[in-house]
Amino acid sequence: GAGVSQTPSNKVTEKGKYVELRCDPISGHTALYWYRQSLGQGPEFLIYFQGTGAADDSGLPNDRFFAVRPEGSVSTLKIQRTERGDSAVYLCASSPQGAGSLSSTDTQYFGPGTRLTVL
Amino acid sequence: GQQLNQSPQSMFIQEGEDVSMNCTSSSIFNTWLWYKQDPGEGPVLLIALYKAGELTSNGRLTAQFGITRKDSFLNISASIPSDVGIYFCAGHPSGTYKYIFGTGTRLKVLA
Repeated sequence: GAGVSQTPSNKVTEKGKYVELRCDPISGHTALYWYRQSLGQGPEFLIYFQGTGAADDSGLPNDRFFAVRPEGSVSTLKIQRTERGDSAVYLCASSPQGAGSLSSTDTQYFGPGTRLTVL
Repeated sequence: GQQLNQSPQSMFIQEGEDVSMNCTSSSIFNTWLWYKQDPGEGPVLLIALYKAGELTSNGRLTAQFGITRKDSFLNISASIPSDVGIYFCAGHPSGTYKYIFGTGTRLKVLA
């Protein structure tokens, strides 16, 4: 497709369960970001991939959160032992080169998000 | 997590009025991005700024990269009802890979 897609659009799970959230970036974009957005807040950075590698995972809140991008395109955000506080909208964004690159004209384009509800 | 100061937090305006909002940071930024987010959707990129002092327009929207590199401004001229939504700034701090978002400005336009 032309834009960033995310699946599922909604996920309801029980406390303690494991969830996976998927992101398909814009074709050809080397950089991919995950953000978390709580109600009434701006998106908060979680992790940044340049190709297959996580160049910056400093925003992951704890070791229950993990993300992969094995082939440099699709990414999966994985949350173990979910807690009620994990409930939020998880947003994915992609960009042609990524922030911190030599290019000075980076941008990022967002998907529609996955709304995660932990009961 | 860290968020940028964005003001005003919310505003009601009459259709046809001009709107101004701004975003400030304690850090120097290399890039400023402005987004609009509608309920249930992801943020949509409006304007990107890359140089201090840069002024860029996109239709009725105009944004500026502050000369100190610590702030940015977004203006909307002749607002219309579809301008309703939440506007976010996002900055890229020098020496990092991440973007930091503002707290958002909620705009409501009265017809």
